[in-house]
Amino acid sequence: SAVISQKPSRDICQRGTSLTIQCQVDSQVTMMFWYRQQPGQSLTLIATANQGSEATYESGFVIDKFPISRPNLTFSTLTVSNMSPEDSSIYLCSIRTSGSSYNEQFFGPGTRLTVL
Amino acid sequence: AQSVTQPDIHITVSEGASLELRCNYSYGATPYLFWYVQSPGQGLQLLLKYFSGDTLVQGIKGFEAEFKRSQSSFNLRKPSVHWSDAAEYFCAVDPILTGGGNKLTFGTGTQLKVEL
Repeated sequence: SAVISQKPSRDICQRGTSLTIQCQVDSQVTMMFWYRQQPGQSLTLIATANQGSEATYESGFVIDKFPISRPNLTFSTLTVSNMSPEDSSIYLCSIRTSGSSYNEQFFGPGTRLTVL
Repeated sequence: AQSVTQPDIHITVSEGASLELRCNYSYGATPYLFWYVQSPGQGLQLLLKYFSGDTLVQGIKGFEAEFKRSQSSFNLRKPSVHWSDAAEYFCAVDPILTGGGNKLTFGTGTQLKVEL
């Protein structure tokens, strides 16, 4: 399976600042997603990162707060803008591999964000 | 409404004992079903999956899961738990057959504690 890396692995940020999280995959993938896992909670899909076009956001998530880029088939970034303590979460990049009859979904190691 | 339910938030078992983690789903048709494990500080790892066919599926690390259509369940089992199995377990569904757009939806997770 593809290897997914995320940077940074963790960060502590001040309220009102922004953080950009990078997701790098070692092979080209069809689909990339960004999830949020709030403390003690399950995973919630933020958006699907579309290569060469605007991301598709889920209900409750907006581009101004979570801008996403996907310049190619192996890389994506998620920015958490104007952060507040409520944004403290683990943010996970996820991919669907191509080339099989059903594209299984795999997850990166996550970025643990704490907002003070 | 479509949903994934893991009724047990926490489970504690003794090492060597058997384990069953429950998962129920509510969808119009049988979705694709998955179990993921998240060890402390780690990303999610796919344990096993069910698409169709044999209702008892084998996964990694000695885990298995049984799909029961009549009960809309996909419970995870292991005959003998090891201390290293302590982690959080997530059931997930892909409602692909119901036009769900090929997106994983996760249950709230079950935290497993293993007593030595």
